[in-house]
Amino acid sequence: NAGVTQTPKFQVLKTGQSMTLQCAQDMNHNSMYWYRQDPGMGLRLIYYSASEGTTDKGEVPNGYNVSRLNKREFSLRLESAAPSQTSVYFCASSITWGQKLFFGSGTQLSVL
Amino acid sequence: EDQVTQSPEALRLQEGESSSLNCSYTVSGLRGLFWYRQDPGKGPEFLFTLYSAGEEKEKERLKATLTKKESFLHITAPKPEDSATYLCAVQGGSRLTFGEGTQLTVNP
Repeated sequence: NAGVTQTPKFQVLKTGQSMTLQCAQDMNHNSMYWYRQDPGMGLRLIYYSASEGTTDKGEVPNGYNVSRLNKREFSLRLESAAPSQTSVYFCASSITWGQKLFFGSGTQLSVL
Repeated sequence: EDQVTQSPEALRLQEGESSSLNCSYTVSGLRGLFWYRQDPGKGPEFLFTLYSAGEEKEKERLKATLTKKESFLHITAPKPEDSATYLCAVQGGSRLTFGEGTQLTVNP
């Protein structure tokens, strides 16, 4: 039982490059989330998908886009990376919105 | 705006030395308070959910309690493997707000 799987684990980008972070869950959860974690800031919600077919902005959505590909998969795209997007990114899922979260192991992203 | 403040930021204990971590919160319409454990280089792992003042939950050496303004995570006779960052989060009407965490180190 893999839970929540994120790829890649590490990534280095140059300013202006684009990339997509992939996330998949095998727990048949309805809701999925993307968070970023920065020192002194705690976990902040970027985007979420309360159910398949819906996506909504979180606290810090600027510079990001998401796609809920199907019930299992939720991807995060950086169209034009900026140094301010250097962070650790976590994907999470829950049975429904507002329930306990199951997190992936994270992606450490550096934008130079 | 919902707010969560955790204290202390860091805590060092000797093995067997019991203590408590604090999570103070302000939220409009509490729908749940969550505790997570995060090990270095990993994602947070769920520990407890508390829903109403007076509620308590226990798991091994950990006990979480809730009042209308704060939650405590009590650690009894900790072991080195309890070393981690402990995160508190509150679910309000429309969002989940995380605190910055308490980094706990338990020395043998």
